[in-house]
Formats: sequence, structure tokens, C-alpha cells
Amino acid sequence: SQQGEEDPQALSIQEGENATMNCSYKTSINNLQWYRQNSGRGLVHLILIRSNEREKHSGRLRVTLDTSKKSSSLLITASRAADTASYFCAPDYNTDKLIFGTGTRLQVFP
Amino acid sequence: EADIYQTPRYLVIGTGKKITLECSQTMGHDKMYWYQQDPGMELHLIHYSYGVNSTEKGDLSSESTVSRIRTEHFPLTLESARPSHTSQYLCASSAPRLAADTQYFGPGTRLTVL
Repeated sequence: SQQGEEDPQALSIQEGENATMNCSYKTSINNLQWYRQNSGRGLVHLILIRSNEREKHSGRLRVTLDTSKKSSSLLITASRAADTASYFCAPDYNTDKLIFGTGTRLQVFP
Repeated sequence: EADIYQTPRYLVIGTGKKITLECSQTMGHDKMYWYQQDPGMELHLIHYSYGVNSTEKGDLSSESTVSRIRTEHFPLTLESARPSHTSQYLCASSAPRLAADTQYFGPGTRLTVL
């Protein structure tokens, strides 16, 4: 399967702590995207990092990409209870489709 | 908030009924997708479309069918619903030429077949 594989599967932290999620993928990519899903809802696009980029920031989000290791990480700084959600990575292999993994379930306790 | 809508949000029906899940987007996106997702599990692509009169099967085999007669509308139909079809169905759209295939999702339809 070419889906991105997120790690850990689940993560519980206190408000104010940082949360780091990792994603590994299989072959060369055009870009890699991160999405968030609140329980029972659709996914929301968070950030896209292109294959020639190494790091990207958006607010409290920081994404890194290491193409030599075929991995990416999503860091959420100073987490809030409202960040509680599932987070998915989606490698774009230039096949007209994105393939989503099982996600990391993040729980942030007040 | 993306301009993509799904109705109904929740549907509980009996076995054997024909159902249509509606999906509409007002962004003028060419590409649209249907995903199936069980609770806590990955999304499985079941159908997608490049544009009007284009439909393709996704990676997960599905007994559902889709049509794309208008750019903004991509309904999914189950001719005879079964309990195994119980799941959440997510619709999405994208404009690859504009935004590198970033997908915009609707809120989903949670289907329960009794």
C-alpha cells in the first residue's frame, strides 16, 4: 500500500505541551499534505510541503520533510484542548489521488 | 470553511432500500471524490471524477455508483443497501491546477443500515 503511515497511533498530552506526529511514506512524492479531522466530521487541510522544501510553518504548526528518509513530521506547539482531533498525512505521488493512512488520534487535556 | 455540502448528515434505513447521498460544491472544482471511513480507521477512496461525464472507481471496491452530470454535483447511489454498507461517507473536491490537489471535504454522511 502507498498510504502514509502515521506514528504514534494515539497521543495524549496536557494543554500547553507540544505534540509531534510522524509520517512515513513509500516512494518519491510531489508533495505531502497534513489534514485534521474532528470526530465525526470531514477532513480539513492544514498544510502542504513540497518535495523541495524541508520545513514549513503555519501558525502553531511546523512541518518538516526528509525525502532521504521518506518521512515527515507535524509539530503542534503550545497545544490546546481544541486541537483534539485525528491528524492524517497524505503523500501525493502524482497519481491523481491522495492516499490517507489511519491517522494519529491526539487528545489534549485541559 | 469549504463550500462543499453533503446531505443528509445522518441516515438510518432498512436493508434493501435504494439511497442517494448528495454532494455539491460551489468552488467550480473539476475533481471530486467519495471516501468511505469506518470509525477510527483510514479513509478508503471508492470513487472519483475528473470532471463532467467522468467517473472512476477508487482503490476500495464498492457496490455504490456515482454520476457527474454537472460540475458542482457528485451524488452516490446504493441500489440496495445492506448492513455492510454502514459507514461514514465523505465527499471531497480539488482543483489541482490551482492548489496542488489540496482536497476540500464536506462534513460527511453517517449511514446506518439496519
